[in-house]
Amino acid sequence: DTGVSQNPRHKITKRGQNVTFRCDPISEHNRLYWYRQTLGQGPEFLTYFQNEAQLEKSRLLSDRFSAERPKGSFSTLEIQRTEQGDSAMYLCASSLGGVPPETQYFGPGTRLLVL
Amino acid sequence: SQELEQSPQSLIVQEGKNLTINCTSSKTLYGLYWYKQKYGEGLIFLMMLQKGGEEKSHEKITAKLDEKKQQSSLHITASQPSHAGIYLCGADTQGGSEKLVFGKGTKLTVNP
Repeated sequence: DTGVSQNPRHKITKRGQNVTFRCDPISEHNRLYWYRQTLGQGPEFLTYFQNEAQLEKSRLLSDRFSAERPKGSFSTLEIQRTEQGDSAMYLCASSLGGVPPETQYFGPGTRLLVL
Repeated sequence: SQELEQSPQSLIVQEGKNLTINCTSSKTLYGLYWYKQKYGEGLIFLMMLQKGGEEKSHEKITAKLDEKKQQSSLHITASQPSHAGIYLCGADTQGGSEKLVFGKGTKLTVNP
């Protein structure tokens, strides 16, 4: 399967701990996106990369959140000093990019529970 | 307020019945995407609509875009239990933006 993959699929952590999630996009896709989804809501945009450059960040992405895509391939999303409000599904997507933007294909998500 | 409103919020139908899900935007739609999500899983891409009046079909699912009404509909013909899940519409409301905004989803249950 050459789709978007995310690891881990589930993460339980205690409040105050740091967590890191990984996303591997579809291999030829140069754009990578992070979204957050809480129960009963649609995904909310967090940030996106074109190759290794982070081009847009939502105001939802507080100072405790940092995302990287160092070599323009996989990406990591780190949350420092987790809070219970960070509990959510974190979704990664990738696309070919272009004008107009191409379809975003999503991974299976990482479900985070902060106790 | 929500940029994309989906209706209904949930839908229960008998297998074999037709159904329609609507997605209405408070802003101009530059691109409209339909996804399906099983509980606790990622989003599966269904269809993308970009031009007013555009209509696309795949198997028993048809999606239409009404640019003037800033609205899209998803129609399922002869529903099957495999159609069950949460249907989400997502859109580019800024024009050429990489950021998609999503509705809250419509939960579909198909009873055999």
